[in-house]
Amino acid sequence: GDSVTQMEGPVTLSEEAFLTINCTYTATGYPSLFWYVQYPGEGLQLLLKATKADDKGSNKGFEATYRKETTSFHLEKGSVQVSDSAVYFCALAGAGNNRKLIWGLGTSLAVNP
Amino acid sequence: GAGVSQSPSNKVTEKGKDVELRCDPISGHTALYWYRQSLGQGLEFLIYFQGNSAPDKSGLPSDRFSAERTGGSVSTLTIQRTQQEDSAVYLCASSASSARGQETQYFGPGTRLLVL
Repeated sequence: GDSVTQMEGPVTLSEEAFLTINCTYTATGYPSLFWYVQYPGEGLQLLLKATKADDKGSNKGFEATYRKETTSFHLEKGSVQVSDSAVYFCALAGAGNNRKLIWGLGTSLAVNP
Repeated sequence: GAGVSQSPSNKVTEKGKDVELRCDPISGHTALYWYRQSLGQGLEFLIYFQGNSAPDKSGLPSDRFSAERTGGSVSTLTIQRTQQEDSAVYLCASSASSARGQETQYFGPGTRLLVL
C-alpha cells in the first residue's frame, strides 16, 4: 500500500541555518503531496502542497518540489527562525474523492537563538 | 470564518466505559475525516465521510469503534468499552469538493483521550 518515509528527528539547528527534512513516498498513480506543521500546543496546519510532478509548493519561506523520478518531496528553508520550532509531517493523498492522508512519522525541529 | 471544532478537548475515562467524540466541520465542506495521533503509531486514518455516508471505514481499528455523520455536518466518533491502547489524540478534518476531487483538509484541534 501507499506509504511515506520521513527523516527521523529530532533536528536541532541554530537560527539562520539551512533546513532540509527528507521525505520519500511509495504510491500507485499520481498522489498529491503535503507538508503539515504542528506548532507547540496547536493543531495541524497545512504548510504547503504539490499536486503533480515538478510542482513546487512554497509558504513562509519553506519550499518542497514534487520529484516523481526520485519519489521525493523534501522540505527546505534557507534560514530558519526560532518560531519555526515545530513538528513537521509529510503526507500523501491519492486521487479521486477519498483523499485520506497517509502520513510520515513526523520530524521535530528545534531552532535555538 | 469558523474552522473545524472538536469537543471535548480532553477526555479522561476508565477502561471499559464508552466515549463519544464530536466534530463540527467547516460549513459547506462535504468531506470529513477522522484520524488518530498516538505516540507509538503516529498519525493514522480512521474513517472518511462523503456527506452522510462512509465509503471508507478501513482505518477503524476494531468493531468497538464506530462513527456517524448527520445532516452532512456534525460527526460523532464512538468508542465502546475503551481500552488503554485507545489513548490518543483524535483529529477531525474537513475539506471541500471540486471537480478534481476533495481539496485541502483543514484540521480541528483534536480531542485528547486518556483511558485509565
